[in-house]
Amino acid sequence: DGGITQSPKYLFRKEGQNVTLSCEQNLNHDAMYWYRQDPGQGLRLIYYSQIVNDFQKGDIAEGYSVSREKKESFPLTVTSAQKNPTAFYLCASSPFGTSGHNEQFFGPGTRLTVL
Amino acid sequence: AQTVTQSQPEMSVQEAETVTLSCTYDTSESDYYLFWYKQPPSRQMILVIRQEAYKQQNATENRFSVNFQKAAKSFSLKISDSQLGDAAMYFCAYGRGGANSKLTFGKGITLSVRP
Repeated sequence: DGGITQSPKYLFRKEGQNVTLSCEQNLNHDAMYWYRQDPGQGLRLIYYSQIVNDFQKGDIAEGYSVSREKKESFPLTVTSAQKNPTAFYLCASSPFGTSGHNEQFFGPGTRLTVL
Repeated sequence: AQTVTQSQPEMSVQEAETVTLSCTYDTSESDYYLFWYKQPPSRQMILVIRQEAYKQQNATENRFSVNFQKAAKSFSLKISDSQLGDAAMYFCAYGRGGANSKLTFGKGITLSVRP
């Protein structure tokens, strides 16, 4: 089955530690995205990548880092510099440049809690 | 910068009745795409419907239809014959498409369905 997987579903971290969230897709999509979801805030874009080995900051990139070494993988690292990391994190992917609308497909999300 | 506004944080509808969710957006572009996504309690984001701005005809998907008013920059979602499974958060999103693959999301609206 084609889709997007995120792991783990729940993640706990001690304050001051870095943690990496996994996102993998087998849809052969070029573009991938990371969003943060907080109550009442909707989805806010952290980072996105439209091609391997290239990525851009979104609206709230401070305290986060990403890499895009493979087309199917786009891991997100939440660093100790992120002041309020407890949130629900969503990964998405979309075709890029090949069709007009670039509909995004989402993974099931990871709930990160900082203790 | 593009903005998407969903001014109603919560709405409620009686089962089998019709409900309309509102969305407005701001853009200076003439070619773009609009989306409604559904997020049920499982938190899996699901595309409900898509509208291309160059199309005058309103999009329809089974019980879901939109009222797209380009001049007014309004994009409302109508759900007919509401079902208990329609209870979810609904997000409106804007995208340029093509080489610009980002989406801008509204803050969402929580829809409850009364049996």
